[in-house]
Amino acid sequence: DAKTTQPNSMESNEEEPVHLPCNHSTISGTDYIHWYRQLPSQGPEYVIHGLTSNVNNRMASLAIAEDRKSSTLILHRATLRDAAVYYCILRAAWGGSQGNLIFGKGTKLSVKP
Amino acid sequence: SQTIHQWPATLVQPVGSPLSLECTVEGTSNPNLYWYRQAAGRGLQLLFYSVGIGQISSEVPQNLSASRPQDRQFILSSKKLLLSDSGFYLCAWSPGQFGDQPQHFGDGTRLSIL
Repeated sequence: DAKTTQPNSMESNEEEPVHLPCNHSTISGTDYIHWYRQLPSQGPEYVIHGLTSNVNNRMASLAIAEDRKSSTLILHRATLRDAAVYYCILRAAWGGSQGNLIFGKGTKLSVKP
Repeated sequence: SQTIHQWPATLVQPVGSPLSLECTVEGTSNPNLYWYRQAAGRGLQLLFYSVGIGQISSEVPQNLSASRPQDRQFILSSKKLLLSDSGFYLCAWSPGQFGDQPQHFGDGTRLSIL
């Protein structure tokens, strides 16, 4: 399975933008890039996903490098409720066990008031 | 809209006792269903997944088992719990198993084995 690399932790100030990086140099052409986050004592929450083009939704934006070997999750204005562990995960396009999510250690985001 | 329910939220069980955790999904049909476990301070580990009634795939051999008696019901069981079974158990669903389909998680069951 293609793997991802994320920083262990990051800090941000409230109301400032946050850019969470993810490297996936062995990504295949049909792997989707998914982002999830897990708040303390809760289950993971889906944030966003994309294949090649940048994506926006109400929670965040996903910027995907042209060669797809890296991506960045962008929170436009961090709030205290955004403090969580953020996971970048590759999901194979074609299903089967390769379509399952493999969670790494993620990036623990701290937000300072 | 679709919702996923897991219960109980917390559970304390003695070693050697049986286990049954239930998960149900509403508002969709024929979902893919998943059981994950998160041990204290560690990442999520996929335990089982199911693409249909009676179809269960195991990712990690252990003393746990899963069943899917109905389309939107997924059950995690054990005949005899071990201390190492402690953890945060999460159920998730997905519209399918393809890469462009996100997974949605329940609120989890925190299981403590004494």
